[in-house]
Amino acid sequence: GENVEQHPSTLSVQEGDSAVIKCTYSDSASNYFPWYKQELGKRPQLIIDIRSNVGEKKDQRIAVTLNKTAKHFSLHITETQPEDSAVYFCAASLPISGNTGKLIFGQGTTLQVKP
Amino acid sequence: SAVISQKPSRDICQRGTSLTIQCQVDSQVTMMFWYRQQPGQSLTLIATANQGSEATYESGFVIDKFPISRPNLTFSTLTVSNMSPEDSSIYLCSVKGQRSTDTQYFGPGTRLTVL
Repeated sequence: GENVEQHPSTLSVQEGDSAVIKCTYSDSASNYFPWYKQELGKRPQLIIDIRSNVGEKKDQRIAVTLNKTAKHFSLHITETQPEDSAVYFCAASLPISGNTGKLIFGQGTTLQVKP
Repeated sequence: SAVISQKPSRDICQRGTSLTIQCQVDSQVTMMFWYRQQPGQSLTLIATANQGSEATYESGFVIDKFPISRPNLTFSTLTVSNMSPEDSSIYLCSVKGQRSTDTQYFGPGTRLTVL
C-alpha cells in the first residue's frame, strides 16, 4: 500500500523567514496530495492541495510543489508568522477505483515560529 | 464544506468497557472514514465506513475491536470495544466526496482516556 514519509519532524524558524516541509510517497499511482494544519487541541484543517497533473500551486504565503518523477512534494511557507505555529501533515491519495480515495498521512512536522 | 459533529467530545472510561462514538454530517457524503490519533502522533486510518454494508478495515484493525455502523449518508458510529489503556487516543470522523481529489474534512474528534 501507499506509504508517506515526512521531514523534518520539527522545524523552528524566526518570524519572517521561510519554512519548507518535504514529503515522499511510495505509490506512483497516487494523484492527490493535500496538506493539513493542526493547531493544538483542534481538528486538522486543509490549507492547500495539489493534483498530480499540476507541478506547483500557490495561495498567498503558501505554496506546494510536486515532482512526480521523484515522488516528492513540498510545502513552502513564506514570511512566517507566529500564528503559523502548528503541526503540519502531508497526505497522499490513490485514485478512487478500488482504493476509496482514502488519505495516507505523513508523520507530521511541528513548526515553531519565534517572534 | 461539510459541517461535522461528534459525540461525545471526550470521555474517561474503565478498562474492559466499550464506548460508541457518533459522527453526524450536515449533508449527504459519499465517503466516511474513522481515524485514530494517538498523543503527539499522526493520523492512522482505522476503517472506511460503507453505507449499508460492512466497513473496510485497515491492516491492524478488526471489526470485533472497532465495530462500525453507517445506516445512511449522514451518520456513522465507531465503537471501541473491551477497552484498554492503549486505546487512549483521539478518534476522528472524516468525510469526503466520491472523487479521490475531493477535499476531505475532519470532525472535531473524541478524546478517549481509558483507566
